[in-house]
Amino acid sequence: EVQVVASGGDLVRPGGSLRLSCAASAFDDIYWVRQAAGKGLEWVSLIEAPGDTYYAQSVKGRFTISRDSSRPYFYLQMNSLRPDDTAVYFCGKGVSGHWAIETWGQGTPVTVSS
Amino acid sequence: QSVLTQPPSLSGAPGQRVTISCTGSSSNIGGGYDVHWYHQIAETTPQLLIYGNSHRPSEVPDRISASKSGTSASLVITGLQSDDEGIYYCQSFDDSLRGVVFGGGTKLTVL
Repeated sequence: EVQVVASGGDLVRPGGSLRLSCAASAFDDIYWVRQAAGKGLEWVSLIEAPGDTYYAQSVKGRFTISRDSSRPYFYLQMNSLRPDDTAVYFCGKGVSGHWAIETWGQGTPVTVSS
Repeated sequence: QSVLTQPPSLSGAPGQRVTISCTGSSSNIGGGYDVHWYHQIAETTPQLLIYGNSHRPSEVPDRISASKSGTSASLVITGLQSDDEGIYYCQSFDDSLRGVVFGGGTKLTVL
């Protein structure tokens, strides 16, 4: 069974940094999507299987998506965090050949507050 | 304001048919990018319902279908059931933003 497991969420002060991890089953397209309390889904970042990366405008220049070269672990390095980055962060595995998320992991909560 | 526009809410009685619309533009849906649909219950993990405009994963029942035309897409649910309640999101790719975009979500209530 394909699984993706997100971890690393925490409480962090504004301006701080945090790294989220996503353990997957293979080197597939991996997405990060976040959801603030009571709000809709917001795409954050994508790393495609060949290695191309994409970012939402709201996080470009502050967040970096990457992956481990030896095992299917993926990371979202989040710097210069702001209160509006507070959300549950989901990682998900993409559908091969489509920009769609086939398997979602449980979310990991990030709170940015002083 | 979401790049893809969905009605905020819809309702229907058990057994009825409902259609959820998703309107985009020439830089996403109208530009040939596929539309995908998700169902989420109470901010739990979303479930993929439709990918590639009209393809259903094997675990999704065939009373759920979708289509795309021009700059819009639609999700149709027939034989409405209580466990269809929740929020439905459409999603595509936007060429101008060079990224994935979601609709704002449609809350479906089964009366």
